[in-house]
Amino acid sequence: DVKVTQSSRYLVKRTGEKVFLECVQDMDHENMFWYRQDPGLGLRLIYFSYDVKMKEKGDIPEGYSVSREKKERFSLILESASTNQTSMYLCASSLSTLLQGNQPQHFGDGTRLSIL
Amino acid sequence: KNEVEQSPQNLTAQEGEFITINCSYSVGISALHWLQQHPGGGIVSLFMLSSGKKKHGRLIATINIQEKHSSLHITASHPRDSAVYICAVREAGAQKLVFGQGTRLTINP
Repeated sequence: DVKVTQSSRYLVKRTGEKVFLECVQDMDHENMFWYRQDPGLGLRLIYFSYDVKMKEKGDIPEGYSVSREKKERFSLILESASTNQTSMYLCASSLSTLLQGNQPQHFGDGTRLSIL
Repeated sequence: KNEVEQSPQNLTAQEGEFITINCSYSVGISALHWLQQHPGGGIVSLFMLSSGKKKHGRLIATINIQEKHSSLHITASHPRDSAVYICAVREAGAQKLVFGQGTRLTINP
C-alpha cells in the first residue's frame, strides 16, 4: 500500500513565523501535490511537482513556496505565516499521468495548521 | 461557476437507504475520481472512471461522458458510510485534479 506521511497532524504557529510542512511518500511517485481545504471552498491546489526540483504553481500559490530536493519528499513553506493561512493542508502523490495514463492520487492524513 | 459541481451539498438518510450523489463538470476530461473523507481529514480514493460503471462492495460509480455527469451510489447505507464524498476531474492533458466542494453524507442508525 502507498503511504503518504505528513509530519504533523496539528500545528500551531504565530503570525510572521516561517512554517515548514513536510510530506514523504514511499512508492517512488513522480507527482506530488499540496492542497489546502477550507469549509465551503473544497480542496484547492497550492503547488505541485512532477519531478525532483520541478514545481508548478497551482490555483493559490501566493504566500507559499515549495521544495523538492528528493523524489520522496515535498515540502510546503509558509514564508511569513498569516492568520488567513489557518487551514487544513493535505499532501498527495501519484504516478505520472503523462507516463502511466490515468492514476489515482494518494493522500496523507492532513495537517491542521493554526496561525495565531 | 465551478468547473465541478456536486449535489446535494448535504444529505442525511436512515440506515439502509439507497444513496445517490451527483457530480457534473464542464470541461473535457480524461478521468473522474470519487474520493471519501472521514472526520479527521484522511482522504481515500474510491474510484477512478473514464467510462461506464465500476462497483466495489456496496459502492457503485457511473459516468456519462456525453452528458458530463457522474453518480456515486451507496446501497444498504450504514452509519460508517458517513463522510464527505468528493468528486474530482482530471482535464484532458493536465496533471492536476479539479475538485468539487464535496457532499457531506450522514447516515443515522
